[in-house]
Amino acid sequence: SQQGEEDPQALSIQEGENATMNCSYKTSINNLQWYRQNSGRGLVHLILIRSNEREKHSGRLRVTLDTSKKSSSLLITASRAADTASYFCAVQGSGTYKYIFGTGTRLKVLA
Amino acid sequence: GAVVSQHPSWVICKSGTSVKIECRSLDFQATTMFWYRQFPKQSLMLMATSNEGSKATYEQGVEKDKFLINHASLTLSTLTVTSAHPEDSSFYICSATGQGLADTQYFGPGTRLTVL
Repeated sequence: SQQGEEDPQALSIQEGENATMNCSYKTSINNLQWYRQNSGRGLVHLILIRSNEREKHSGRLRVTLDTSKKSSSLLITASRAADTASYFCAVQGSGTYKYIFGTGTRLKVLA
Repeated sequence: GAVVSQHPSWVICKSGTSVKIECRSLDFQATTMFWYRQFPKQSLMLMATSNEGSKATYEQGVEKDKFLINHASLTLSTLTVTSAHPEDSSFYICSATGQGLADTQYFGPGTRLTVL
C-alpha cells in the first residue's frame, strides 16, 4: 500500500500567491523527499528532509516535517506560472531502502 | 552532477514483441537502481529494486518473467518488457542512488511505451 497520501489532489492559485501541499504517511521513516514532475517528464528532486529534521528551505521552497503527526508539508512562496507541475512526496521507511510515493498534488499557477 | 539518462525516451511496438529500456547513471556509480511505472495522472508505483551484480527485488504483484531487470554494472540497469501487450503501455521511470548522494534518488526522464 502507498505510504504517502497527499492533499489537495489539485490546487489552482494565482501567480504571486503561496501554495501549500501536504503529505501524510503511515509508519516511521528514515527520510522524506519532495519531487516535481512536469507533464510527461521525469522527476526533479526538490528537497530531502531527514526524520530528525523539522524544517528545510531551498529558495522559495520550505518543507516541514512532523514525525509525531506523520506528516510533511511543502510550501512554495510567491508562486510563478512556471511552478505549474505535479508535486510528489516519497518516503523511505525505517529499515528499508526503497521509497514509496504519495498520490501527488497537481498545482496550476495562473498568470 | 548526479544525472540519470534513459533510452529510448519513447517506443511504439506491436503486441507480442519485447522491449528493452536502458537506465544509465552518467556521472556517478549507482549502487541501487529503482524502476517505477506511472499511469496517466497517477503516482509512481515501484516495480523493482536492483543492486549491481545481484538479482532484482520485485514488488508484490509485479511479474518477474514479464519485467526482466538486469543491473550489469554500476552505471547501467535494463528493464525488458517481454511479450508486451497493450496493458503494458505506460510511462516507465528509473532512478538511481549511490555513495555520497545522501540517500537522494535521481530520476531519469522516463520512457513512454505504447503497445499496439
